[in-house]
Amino acid sequence: KQEVTQIPAALSVPEGENLVLNCSFTDSAIYNLQWFRQDPGKGLTSLLLIQSSQREQTSGRLNASLDKSSGRSTLYIAASQPGDSATYLCAVRRTGNTPLVFGKGTRLSVIA
Amino acid sequence: GAVVSQHPSWVICKSGTSVKIECRSLDFQATTMFWYRQFPKQSLMLMATSNEGSKATYEQGVEKDKFLINHASLTLSTLTVTSAHPEDSSFYICSARDSKGKSSGEAFFGQGTRLTVV
Repeated sequence: KQEVTQIPAALSVPEGENLVLNCSFTDSAIYNLQWFRQDPGKGLTSLLLIQSSQREQTSGRLNASLDKSSGRSTLYIAASQPGDSATYLCAVRRTGNTPLVFGKGTRLSVIA
Repeated sequence: GAVVSQHPSWVICKSGTSVKIECRSLDFQATTMFWYRQFPKQSLMLMATSNEGSKATYEQGVEKDKFLINHASLTLSTLTVTSAHPEDSSFYICSARDSKGKSSGEAFFGQGTRLTVV
């Protein structure tokens, strides 16, 4: 059974810092991996989608990498801003038709 | 990206009543939708997989008769919480995937529904 772990569970950084969020998964046979952002009491916003054949994806200040063989992904946030404060969720999918399996998330606070 | 609309965004109901939550894919067709539940400060846990035109597939421990799922069209799935109790209070969120495949398996989520049973 796939298990997704995110480290750290919570992180507080001053504005402007670069930071890395970690995600690991136990079964490397994945179809894709997705990073999401969730604000308190809100739904999920998709940030980056990495297919199993890809190594990384970039969107603005965000960069996500995938090392499928070692079961790891990282989300890099450059020049963090207070508006980046949210919970970041990592999720993997085994095939194109199966549901996502989520980690517990990393709660990020960026202090002005 | 594709849009999934979930309604209502929040609802308060009395114990013993039923509540229906709708999940619509607005600009794509979805033969499969997924329903998740999230407790405070916890991650999303899959409740069931909703299949258009057939019965939903429920995860272990999820009561089929309590959480009724109907996926009557390619753009709409509903979750009905029957005879709600305070312990059913939670955040419910749906997800859909574009069946025609342009989005390469990307999952799109609704805004979620905050259910409070009093």
